[in-house]
Amino acid sequence: GAVVSQHPSRVICKSGTSVKIECRSLDFQATTMFWYRQFPKKSLMLMATSNEGSKATYEQGVEKDKFLINHASLTLSTLTVTSAHPEDSSFYICSARDPSTASYNSPLHFGNGTRLTVT
Amino acid sequence: GESVGLHLPTLSVQEGDNSIINCAYSNSASDYFIWYKQESGKGPQFIIDIRSNMDKRQGQRVTVLLNKTVKHLSLQIAATQPGDSAVYFCAENWNSGNTPLVFGKGTRLSVIA
Repeated sequence: GAVVSQHPSRVICKSGTSVKIECRSLDFQATTMFWYRQFPKKSLMLMATSNEGSKATYEQGVEKDKFLINHASLTLSTLTVTSAHPEDSSFYICSARDPSTASYNSPLHFGNGTRLTVT
Repeated sequence: GESVGLHLPTLSVQEGDNSIINCAYSNSASDYFIWYKQESGKGPQFIIDIRSNMDKRQGQRVTVLLNKTVKHLSLQIAATQPGDSAVYFCAENWNSGNTPLVFGKGTRLSVIA
């Protein structure tokens, strides 16, 4: 149980274009999802908290106009990287908790990530 | 042995030996800790977790030890196998509610067959 799916797994785009990444909870409903970014050989850094039916909460230093988050349903959150530049190239990973254990002392379940390369 | 540098620390272990991966966590108020395994090109996979009211927890071939006095967490893997080769992250949380985890730096485990 508690499977999180991301799509696409890899995407290459040209500088200046926008890319949308989808994150779905397959067997549970998630009112909250978390988006992380990971640079090569580095740890996961939280970008934003996606809340169903309300605005996302962004971490300090993350531009909300550049990384648009939409959590339109209880099973889908999307991250759109707008006007992408080469420095946005990274591994983007979403996660969520099983609502039956949605307290802070339970694991996050992660998608398999999206490798974004901006040329 | 272990090497630390600009890249992720790497722990090289002979197949069949036990591995110990260490983590210094950041917040003395943290009361939930978790270990993840991340294989190349994939998202993190849950291994084992522990709450702050415990100092040891065992799973299948894995043991997590928590020392709150020095803010230290360790993951022990018994009889390490080639399939254990991956990057291992510790993560912590100190907030109530459905809140995100904060990840540590990570250690690459390399199993020598």
